[in-house]
Amino acid sequence: GQSLEQPSEVTAVEGAIVQINCTYQTSGFYGLSWYQQHDGGAPTFLSYNALDGLEETGRFSSFLSRSDSYGYLLLQELQMKDSASYFCAVPSAGGGNKLTFGTGTQLKVEL
Amino acid sequence: DAGVTQSPTHLIKTRGQQVTLRCSPKSGHDTVSWYQQALGQGPQFIFQYYEEEERQRGNFPDRFSGHQFPNYSSELNVNALLLGDSALYLCASSSKRTGQVNTEAFFGQGTRLTVV
Repeated sequence: GQSLEQPSEVTAVEGAIVQINCTYQTSGFYGLSWYQQHDGGAPTFLSYNALDGLEETGRFSSFLSRSDSYGYLLLQELQMKDSASYFCAVPSAGGGNKLTFGTGTQLKVEL
Repeated sequence: DAGVTQSPTHLIKTRGQQVTLRCSPKSGHDTVSWYQQALGQGPQFIFQYYEEEERQRGNFPDRFSGHQFPNYSSELNVNALLLGDSALYLCASSSKRTGQVNTEAFFGQGTRLTVV
């Protein structure tokens, strides 16, 4: 089976930096994805790490350590609009869009 | 490009009834997956359709069935509805390439199903 664990909730102030961690246990690992979901909205893709290291996309960065079965999403210069749920996810060997999602982290950005 | 579209957006059904949800994939995509998302939880994979056949299935009972049409659109059917089937049902599309693991799935806004 596959399981991905995340903190349930994180609170930070506008302009700050926040890190959302994800630890995983999977049978067959192909990479780690991150998705953002606002209340009532569709999950939207943020990043994907296939190899160890840091991937940067604007204010968001994602890190992966395959040896530690661990990754994190780093959000910089937080804005109120970043308040949302964030999910780590792993794709399956079959390709396509079969994903196993983590437990999700609700980020609250305060003034 | 309209992206992934789902209908209806909201639905209320009575326990024991049957429901059909619909999904049109993003233009150029041929693979559709369905997910169930209970309140406060991550999406759970139900099944995936490619070339009009169910290719992969998650841990869901046979009451959940689907179909994919030649134009790649898809339907999710749930029979004998239970109160516990109340959830947001999400459709995701992508382009399947043999031997590759896709890195991005495009999700629709979902159908909010309430079973009373």
